[in-house]
Amino acid sequence: AQSVSQHNHHVILSEAASLELGCNYSYGGTVNLFWYVQYPGQHLQLLLKYFSGDPLVKGIKGFEAEFIKSKFSFNLRKPSVQWSDTAEYFCAVNAPNQAGTALIFGKGTTLSVSS
Amino acid sequence: GAGVSQSPSNKVTEKGKDVELRCDPISGHTALYWYRQRLGQGLEFLIYFQGNSAPDKSGLPSDRFSAERTGESVSTLTIQRTQQEDSAVYLCASSFAGGGGETQYFGPGTRLLVL
Repeated sequence: AQSVSQHNHHVILSEAASLELGCNYSYGGTVNLFWYVQYPGQHLQLLLKYFSGDPLVKGIKGFEAEFIKSKFSFNLRKPSVQWSDTAEYFCAVNAPNQAGTALIFGKGTTLSVSS
Repeated sequence: GAGVSQSPSNKVTEKGKDVELRCDPISGHTALYWYRQRLGQGLEFLIYFQGNSAPDKSGLPSDRFSAERTGESVSTLTIQRTQQEDSAVYLCASSFAGGGGETQYFGPGTRLLVL
């Protein structure tokens, strides 16, 4: 079945460590790619998105993601995490030719950053 | 307020009862989405409204689920004869237009518990 996979369920890091969260999808053709974040007690908000152009996308709070079409991947990175990055991170894909306008979400990765 | 609002924030009901969940999108947003998030799972698309077009109901899990939207404003999601497996957080999102690359803005969700 077509899906979005996030490889890490729970990641635990110390402050200043580098972060990479994996995301792979199985849709061919045109895709729009998103990372959403949910901080404790808050609602989902957009971190960054890709829909065309430069495959390296920069988002808020120092996050970036790289779209690698050949690998069907859109991994999220941050060179140095902070305690305030503790949150749940969701990768989401829109595949307009196969799944309409809805976002298809991965199961999420919980990031815990210790100070 | 400026964001998407949902009510109630929490709902506890007995199996077999009907429940109605409400979503107020951001003013001016023509597209509205409902998603469901079960414990430990990613968000599942339920239904999508775009302006006056017929809604995309492809994600509704059964005929017990229905939703309405009045013009480009409030939407209600109704679950009839609730079952324990309906327990989840129900999230509403809106976007300025309905294209797949549009950023969706999420509400805080309604946490539904069916006893």
